[in-house]
Amino acid sequence: DGGITQSPKYLFRKEGQNVTLSCEQNLNHDAMYWYRQDPGQGLRLIYYSQIVNDFQKGDIAEGYSVSREKKESFPLTVTSAQKNPTAFYLCASSISGRIYNEQFFGPGTRLTVL
Amino acid sequence: GQQVMQIPQYQHVQEGEDFTTYCNSSTTLSNIQWYKQRPGGHPVFLIQLVKSGEVKKQKRLTFQFGEAKKNSSLHITATQTTDVGTYFCAGPIIQGAQKLVFGQGTRLTINP
Repeated sequence: DGGITQSPKYLFRKEGQNVTLSCEQNLNHDAMYWYRQDPGQGLRLIYYSQIVNDFQKGDIAEGYSVSREKKESFPLTVTSAQKNPTAFYLCASSISGRIYNEQFFGPGTRLTVL
Repeated sequence: GQQVMQIPQYQHVQEGEDFTTYCNSSTTLSNIQWYKQRPGGHPVFLIQLVKSGEVKKQKRLTFQFGEAKKNSSLHITATQTTDVGTYFCAGPIIQGAQKLVFGQGTRLTINP
């Protein structure tokens, strides 16, 4: 069963703690993306990766970090430097980073920082 | 920076009524994509438009790309309760870039 998995679905953390969100895909896609969605808002790009061992900052990268050591995995770390980390985080992938490719989204992780 | 604006932000209709959401870009887009997000779910790709003036249909959904490739619309004929959700348009930030910028979305609710 191909697709994108994100875990966990809900995550609670105390303020000041780093937390890592998992994203795995078995679609053999080269490109992967992390978005943040706030209530009633659109999707804002945090980081994206067009190929293994390479990634670029999106529009709101401050306070976040990523790695892309394997093609199928693109974990996102929300650091204590992120001022307002409570949000819905969506991971996506596409066949390649070309603009004409559709993006496939995972189910998302809802992070709440207490 | 380049922006993609979407209106209206919310739309409530009676089941059976039509629905339209509009997407406008500050710059010319090479292509535009539309996604649907059901309540509590994740965005799912609906369609992509590439050509100037392009019109595509999916059953009761009609998608249009403007002649100047700066605006797009999604029209749903005779809405059904299964159409409930938020509809997003998305376009590349700059010509030839791999990054998409999403509109704020239009949340559609339906009174059965």
